Amino acid sequence: ETGVTQSPTHLIKTRGQQVTLRCSSQSGHNTVSWYQQALGQGPQFIFQYYREEENGRGNFPPRFSGLQFPNYSSELNVNALELDDSALYLCASSLANRGYEQYFGPGTRLTVT
Amino acid sequence: AQTVTQSQPEMSVQEAETVTLSCTYDTSESDYYLFWYKQPPSRQMILVIRQEAYKQQNATENRFSVNFQKAAKSFSLKISDSQLGDAAMYFCAYSEQETSGSRLTFGEGTQLTVNP
Repeated sequence: ETGVTQSPTHLIKTRGQQVTLRCSSQSGHNTVSWYQQALGQGPQFIFQYYREEENGRGNFPPRFSGLQFPNYSSELNVNALELDDSALYLCASSLANRGYEQYFGPGTRLTVT
Repeated sequence: AQTVTQSQPEMSVQEAETVTLSCTYDTSESDYYLFWYKQPPSRQMILVIRQEAYKQQNATENRFSVNFQKAAKSFSLKISDSQLGDAAMYFCAYSEQETSGSRLTFGEGTQLTVNP
């Protein structure tokens, strides 16, 4: 069974740029959630995708957007990067009927300068 | 909105001893899930234990057990026979009992140090 994978591991961007982070779900999982974890804080829910549609969103502006593909992999896109976007971005996958069992990837560390 | 509070930013324990991490939460729901996640320096978030609110019996997983007090909205984690590998950041988390669209609400975390 393949676990959740994320790429890249680390990323450095400049303020105002755009970034795309990628996530591959655990085998058989059809729901993907994204979280932002600022340094020294707990993860904050960004949004969730199920059947290629956004299925719930946290308190994040529209410049945070996502996609889910037919193979259930997912992308997180952030436009007009701000310094406060520097964080660890975590992806978690789950089965739709067991959404409370979320399995996390290792995260992507984004630094905005 | 649901909130999760961990009032202990740091805790330490001697190897082989027992430590308890505290968590309180606020919700108006009657059915929900509570979790403890472990995040070592590798950053991978690992599920330690899960508790369903409708179950009165406290969950246990080997050396890890919880004390779930629903009326007090308290959910503490007890680690027995602490090992060096238990050193990590521990997060308490809450999820509503939905079959889809479940989102985890996390506390701020407790950094656990295990001393040899």
